[in-house]
Amino acid sequence: ETGVTQSPTHLIKTRGQQVTLRCSSQSGHNTVSWYQQALGQGPQFIFQYYREEENGRGNFPPRFSGLQFPNYSSELNVNALELDDSALYLCASSTKTGTSTDTQYFGPGTRLTVL
Amino acid sequence: GESVGLHLPTLSVQEGDNSIINCAYSNSASDYFIWYKQESGKGPQFIIDIRSNMDKRQGQRVTVLLNKTVKHLSLQIAATQPGDSAVYFCAEKRGSARQLTFGSGTQLTVLP
Repeated sequence: ETGVTQSPTHLIKTRGQQVTLRCSSQSGHNTVSWYQQALGQGPQFIFQYYREEENGRGNFPPRFSGLQFPNYSSELNVNALELDDSALYLCASSTKTGTSTDTQYFGPGTRLTVL
Repeated sequence: GESVGLHLPTLSVQEGDNSIINCAYSNSASDYFIWYKQESGKGPQFIIDIRSNMDKRQGQRVTVLLNKTVKHLSLQIAATQPGDSAVYFCAEKRGSARQLTFGSGTQLTVLP
């Protein structure tokens, strides 16, 4: 086990609703990255948080937003849910030192279903 | 566009045989690659990584080979076991956030 935890494990929402997913990073890690994994695909990078600020972003619209807290835990918020948002959402924690980012360790994911 | 991809979506091997999973990349500036294993219902699990200044790296029962000339890397699993059945992803670190760019994965099935 990586020590990265995510909640909830499963979630069902309807189109147009908003959702918040949570991630607790591994002890000693200061960086959290979020990924979306559609069925049968590899994970796609959403964004990364370091020192409570967004440190990089993939090709996702602004309705995907996040937060990082002083204890390095993080939230992913998705507004105006669409059917295509149905996926496994993964967070990964790592340690960032200067310009270098250590190995990313993944949590078990949150399975989001949008009806 | 630039991508990290895998040659085969599925691979079946007999228990005890060696497995080889291949991956191609297109960005010649890529400098760091990682292999992850993802079992059903779980998040990706780190297996092994390799930097572009290396050709080979070995771990426990696993070896990663990097051929920069043809932009190809492979994961070799020795004496494949039933517990090795999973989807295997190669990933590349890139971008300002050193985020991971994944291929689509190879499903490894170990036959008894």
